Amino acid sequence: DSGVTQTPKHLITATGQRVTLRCSPRSGDLSVYWYQQSLDQGLQFLIQYYNGEERAKGNILERFSAQQFPDLHSELNLSSLELGDSALYFCASSVGLGIGTQYFGPGTRLLVL
Amino acid sequence: AQSVSQHNHHVILSEAASLELGCNYSYGGTVNLFWYVQYPGQHLQLLLKYFSGDPLVKGIKGFEAEFIKSKFSFNLRKPSVQWSDTAEYFCAVLGLGSQGNLIFGKGTKLSVKP
Repeated sequence: DSGVTQTPKHLITATGQRVTLRCSPRSGDLSVYWYQQSLDQGLQFLIQYYNGEERAKGNILERFSAQQFPDLHSELNLSSLELGDSALYFCASSVGLGIGTQYFGPGTRLLVL
Repeated sequence: AQSVSQHNHHVILSEAASLELGCNYSYGGTVNLFWYVQYPGQHLQLLLKYFSGDPLVKGIKGFEAEFIKSKFSFNLRKPSVQWSDTAEYFCAVLGLGSQGNLIFGKGTKLSVKP
């Protein structure tokens, strides 16, 4: 158990819908990262927050957004869902910004039908 | 741009065989290097990491990796694999001074035959 929690574990939805994925980082970690894992793209970085502020963006679609709240939990919002958005979404956290070990949560498996 | 190459897509070994998984990265500056393992249906778990110092690092479950700066490599090794090592292995690099996100290789699936 890494100490990073993610909910829900599984999510099944339809195209065009909107979903919210939630992540709670390890106690004391200020950085939260979101990654997408799919068969064709592998593990890709989406976005990073540090202490409530967005710090880095990767290959994140405009239909996707995220935020980190004062209690440091983070939410990833996926809207206008397409079949190709089906993937495993991982959250990771680390103590600092740009350094140190990232610990991963169990992931949310999203299936868009 | 940073990138990570894992040369083996799928490796099949018998129990007790030795393992070496290749990983090469491209980044011009100082790096932190990681190997993560993903058991079937589970999340990524940290196997080992290199930040600085001794280039031979030991991780959990008998795994080790050697950082060879001149070759931009960070190969993972285990002298004798077990059936329970069946999993997917990911090499990742964190370029210091970069945005802070990990760059992952495509992963190597290891299947160990009992």
